[in-house]
Amino acid sequence: GAVVSQHPSRVICKSGTSVKIECRSLDFQATTMFWYRQFPKQSLMLMATSNEGSKATYEQGVEKDKFLINHASLTLSTLTVTSAHPEDSSFYICSAREVVGNTEAFFGQGTRLTVV
Amino acid sequence: GQQVMQIPQYQHVQEGEDFTTYCNSSTTLSNIQWYKQRPGGHPVFLIQLVKSGEVKKQKRLTFQFGEAKKNSSLHITATQTTDVGTYFCAAELNSGNTPLVFGKGTRLSVIA
Repeated sequence: GAVVSQHPSRVICKSGTSVKIECRSLDFQATTMFWYRQFPKQSLMLMATSNEGSKATYEQGVEKDKFLINHASLTLSTLTVTSAHPEDSSFYICSAREVVGNTEAFFGQGTRLTVV
Repeated sequence: GQQVMQIPQYQHVQEGEDFTTYCNSSTTLSNIQWYKQRPGGHPVFLIQLVKSGEVKKQKRLTFQFGEAKKNSSLHITATQTTDVGTYFCAAELNSGNTPLVFGKGTRLSVIA
């Protein structure tokens, strides 16, 4: 099946710094990727929809200036957490689907972000 | 926005007992998918249901999609310790490259 690679898997950063997370579709092109956030023992909450070549669509309550999304190519989307704070510590997961329509979502391995 | 209600939130069973998790939506769905997430891992796709009343089986797992395409269930027969994890349903309202809406998940613990 299709593979989505997410990097890094774990990152610890200091308060006030920025962290970039990459999400790559390895064997298919993804015009759309999705970024989720998951707090411990909770469900996946959609943060934004990343569209190749255009601006991302953010869900209500997600600060677009804090969570910068760039989808520069059909195989790469990046999420940058700017000026990170401890409350941004979470598990971030990206997802992509091969084609339009009723298809399964493939998830990256996730990034565990800890802000100290 | 669209919500998918999933129950129960937690389920503890003895090995060998059956387990069921349910998802409900107030709106008709295009399709519903089920994912399993092991502790510390990422969600992994299990199955997709598209047709009204559809039933699919994967070994000890049985998936159902309601006639009205508003609810779904996942049933595991004779649970094993390898079944431990959180099971999520994920719904799609429209057919298209739209994000899935996830239920809150049911965390299954299996006691040997």
